[in-house]
Amino acid sequence: GDSVTQMEGPVTLSEEAFLTINCTYTATGYPSLFWYVQYPGEGLQLLLKATKADDKGSNKGFEATYRKETTSFHLEKGSVQVSDSAVYFCALTAQGGSEKLVFGKGTKLTVNP
Amino acid sequence: DTAVSQTPKYLVTQMGNDKSIKCEQNLGHDTMYWYKQDSKKFLKIMFSYNNKELIINETVPNRFSPKSPDKAHLNLHINSLELGDSAVYFCASSPGTHSWTANIQYFGAGTRLSVL
Repeated sequence: GDSVTQMEGPVTLSEEAFLTINCTYTATGYPSLFWYVQYPGEGLQLLLKATKADDKGSNKGFEATYRKETTSFHLEKGSVQVSDSAVYFCALTAQGGSEKLVFGKGTKLTVNP
Repeated sequence: DTAVSQTPKYLVTQMGNDKSIKCEQNLGHDTMYWYKQDSKKFLKIMFSYNNKELIINETVPNRFSPKSPDKAHLNLHINSLELGDSAVYFCASSPGTHSWTANIQYFGAGTRLSVL
């Protein structure tokens, strides 16, 4: 079945450091790919998405590129802030029908001042 | 106005009890979902309804019964609660299967269930 693997956390960075959270997936065809963010005590919010190969999703300084050849959707940000501290989830929905989100296990990011 | 709202936010109860969690969305979406997040933050879908019809039912015990009185509401009833049911339950909604934005899901803030 479809699955998502993302790097284990926790990740601790200093403010203004570069962030990469790796995400790879297993799915047939062309799934849609997402990054969701969960701030402490809150629900999940969509951070960015990409629906086809080579698409780049971006939002709030975060970026991720849909790489079909490596089945990856790595999340990057050039300069993190304390307010970026949260749990980040990579997810996919299968091509052509099923609406269910398949999530990775989440990566907790802590940014220190 | 909160787009997807769940009540209650916290629920503490004894083993064997029956409890319900309510979810309402005011986004006009056709599809609603329930997800379970365990203590390690892992999220897994439980159910999905489209226009009040069940479309996804993962391998969830029969003690869990979703009910959708209309397309804006999807409630989750749990019978005979067990310790292992302790988790955070998230409701979500999405527009449906007929647009490019179909598979963006909007989540509620979650209901933290603790079974003692």
